[in-house]
Amino acid sequence: NAGVTQTPKFRVLKTGQSMTLLCAQDMNHEYMYWYRQDPGMGLRLIHYSVGEGTTAKGEVPDGYNVSRLKKQNFLLGLESAAPSQTSVYFCASNPRDRLEETQYFGPGTRLLVL
Amino acid sequence: DAKTTQPPSMDCAEGRAANLPCNHSTISGNEYVYWYRQIHSQGPQYIIHGLKNNETNEMASLIITEDRKSSTLILPHATLRDTAVYYCIVRLPTSGTYKYIFGTGTRLKVLA
Repeated sequence: NAGVTQTPKFRVLKTGQSMTLLCAQDMNHEYMYWYRQDPGMGLRLIHYSVGEGTTAKGEVPDGYNVSRLKKQNFLLGLESAAPSQTSVYFCASNPRDRLEETQYFGPGTRLLVL
Repeated sequence: DAKTTQPPSMDCAEGRAANLPCNHSTISGNEYVYWYRQIHSQGPQYIIHGLKNNETNEMASLIITEDRKSSTLILPHATLRDTAVYYCIVRLPTSGTYKYIFGTGTRLKVLA
């Protein structure tokens, strides 16, 4: 049971390039989330998904797209990377949408956009 | 939506209790208080959560005031490994599901 994994761990992009961050969980969780964390700030929710085939916007969705084609995977896409998207990205999941359930976080992906 | 306020930083001597306060004066009746921590840029780690009553687990205790406008996370015997950023979060319902809003947290430094 690997929990929540993220690929890649680190990436450097040039402005305007595109890339996809992959989040995978093997816990059969329904709900998955993408956050970004900037220096000295807490986590901000980008997008989330309540099940396969569904996605919704969070606090800071602009410049990102997501897809949840399979229950275990949640992809975060940057179509045209900008320096403002330099950040650490965390994926999280939780088993169902009940108040007592907690989120499980991945190790993070560090992205640098030059 | 309820928001939380935490002091930006605190120090605590190793072996002593660390008491981390959190204000959430606009919390509504069905919202829980959760605590997470983040050690050196790793993914956040769940610590404890509660609704009204005080809660205790193997990691910490959570004290929620009777009016629920504030809470305190207690690490009973802080160790150097407890040095981290601690986030107090009130769970927000939206569009039939729930999402976490993380603030800036409290940076706890445990001193030897």
